[in-house]
Amino acid sequence: SQQGEEDPQALSIQEGENATMNCSYKTSINNLQWYRQNSGRGLVHLILIRSNEREKHSGRLRVTLDTSKKSSSLLITASRAADTASYFCATALASGGSYIPTFGRGTSLIVHP
Amino acid sequence: DAMVIQNPRYQVTQFGKPVTLSCSQTLNHNVMYWYQQKSSQAPKLLFHYYDKDFNNEADTPDNFQSRRPNTSFCFLDIRSPGLGDAAMYLCATSRGWGGSEADTQYFGPGTRLTVL
Repeated sequence: SQQGEEDPQALSIQEGENATMNCSYKTSINNLQWYRQNSGRGLVHLILIRSNEREKHSGRLRVTLDTSKKSSSLLITASRAADTASYFCATALASGGSYIPTFGRGTSLIVHP
Repeated sequence: DAMVIQNPRYQVTQFGKPVTLSCSQTLNHNVMYWYQQKSSQAPKLLFHYYDKDFNNEADTPDNFQSRRPNTSFCFLDIRSPGLGDAAMYLCATSRGWGGSEADTQYFGPGTRLTVL
């Protein structure tokens, strides 16, 4: 079953605005990752946050994790047209003793210049 | 640069004609994954290898097979492609798994499969 669900499914903003995407999941996780995918391309890893971490930063990206609510958010500050892409969260589940990341459906972000 | 390479980038096949997609990596990662991604959907895991240990997802059709002859290469074979198999196929690698940064996946650019 699909673990992560991103919200909203689509987001359209103007350049310079902040973009916030949310991810909710169902069961306990070990870590949560965010990936970006440009149209017709592979996924690129952005950030991994562990279950014992609450917040992590990388450049203009800020990720939070609330394990009590089973949710995470990805904030992109001062967005640029080049940030236009789909963003996926992936949660590491336990599967026979190993952890296999499971992806949500993604948020499609459009940043208008 | 270390990377994940997929060939071909675009593959056109006929209904029922076997096709093989290839993936190679220079990262020396232990784990290799194959995902199927249809338009506007989440990547769906088909299989993964930890070294030579093969793991098939429960709902992966028998029509899909995989081979990993060595650490660097992994192949996806579709024995009798149907129209529903048209999708982007993504290969990924990771150092390992277990709740650390080793879980981080590195993706190839994908192979877009068209079935006529």
